[in-house]
Amino acid sequence: SQQGEEDPQALSIQEGENATMNCSYKTSINNLQWYRQNSGRGLVHLILIRSNEREKHSGRLRVTLDTSKKSSSLLITASRAADTASYFCATGPGANSKLTFGKGITLSVRP
Amino acid sequence: DAGITQSPRYKITETGRQVTLMCHQTWSHSYMFWYRQDLGHGLRLIYYSAAADITDKGEVPDGYVVSRSKTENFPLTLESATRSQTSVYFCASSTPGQGKETQYFGPGTRLLVL
Repeated sequence: SQQGEEDPQALSIQEGENATMNCSYKTSINNLQWYRQNSGRGLVHLILIRSNEREKHSGRLRVTLDTSKKSSSLLITASRAADTASYFCATGPGANSKLTFGKGITLSVRP
Repeated sequence: DAGITQSPRYKITETGRQVTLMCHQTWSHSYMFWYRQDLGHGLRLIYYSAAADITDKGEVPDGYVVSRSKTENFPLTLESATRSQTSVYFCASSTPGQGKETQYFGPGTRLLVL
């Protein structure tokens, strides 16, 4: 069963706009990660946030984590057409490196 | 630096045949994983391995067999392929601990079972 549930399932925005994607999970976690998947390719790691962190930045990416609400959000600022991809959140218990992935969000950035 | 590779990239087989999907990584990562990706289900873990000769079941292991005789290789075998095993299969690896829980994915194998 999926641990992470992303919202929305699909998002379409104009280039230059910000994209916000949400992830909710059910059980306690050690860390939460976001991955990107371009069409026909494997997943690529974007950012990891630990359960004792509230916010993390990496370039145009900003991730927040609210463990009390069991939710995370990924913000992509000033989106580009190249950001068009599927985005997955994955939760890790930490003990054995296993991750549980959500079903993903399809982001389309219109030029 | 080859990273993590999968072969074949595309495979068409028939129901009842045995199929082996290969995964090879050059980083000496201890952990390796097999996922399948299907529309509406996202990624689901089939099997994983913590080290050579150590494997464990994931969420959807039925119909699959794995082995790990060497750290760098983690083959996945479908003993008797079924149409429901038509999917895209991804291999991944990671080295946990020291803040390295990130998984690195291969390019995937698209399998069609007729």
